[in-house]
Amino acid sequence: DAGITQSPRHKVTETGTPVTLRCHQTENHRYMYWYRQDPGHGLRLIHYSYGVKDTDKGEVSDGYSVSRSKTEDFLLTLESATSSQTSVYFCAISARTRGGNEQFFGPGTRLTVL
Amino acid sequence: AQSVTQPDIHITVSEGASLELRCNYSYGATPYLFWYVQSPGQGLQLLLKYFSGDTLVQGIKGFEAEFKRSQSSFNLRKPSVHWSDAAEYFCAVGGRDDKIIFGKGTRLHILP
Repeated sequence: DAGITQSPRHKVTETGTPVTLRCHQTENHRYMYWYRQDPGHGLRLIHYSYGVKDTDKGEVSDGYSVSRSKTEDFLLTLESATSSQTSVYFCAISARTRGGNEQFFGPGTRLTVL
Repeated sequence: AQSVTQPDIHITVSEGASLELRCNYSYGATPYLFWYVQSPGQGLQLLLKYFSGDTLVQGIKGFEAEFKRSQSSFNLRKPSVHWSDAAEYFCAVGGRDDKIIFGKGTRLHILP
């Protein structure tokens, strides 16, 4: 357990509404990530952050924005949700362990866009 | 391009039988390799990892994996599966840039 929480854990929303998902960590890790998980696609990186106010795009960033104003919080925003953004969203942190870096994951947020 | 291929979408084995899940990767530098497991409705749990050194790595729950550089593979094995091993398994590859790429997963079914 790397002290990662996600909120909300479940959300149902309508097409066109804005949605913000929150990831909170308690261990001061520098790197944080947002992934989406869809059947047949595994996990795909949306955005990541390498420090406060330092973020970059991942593989599937269109339609998403992120912000990191504090080390412990990494927010994912869908400015205008679409049905194609129905997915399970996972936050992760990267921690240095013996020999290399490994990622630890939060419990996930299930988002349904109607 | 960096990628991970898990050629088997579904695998079914009988309880007590041996298991091997295949993973092939494409990566430009020396890779870090991972296997994660996800039970239904749960997050991802790290089973084992390879950074360097001994190419046979041991993980949790009795799993092991072998890194074969010549074959660009990192196959996961278990000598005797239990019903509780039914889950989805993800292979992943990364490096010093702190980003990792996941395969599409293999769902393991266990027959009683």
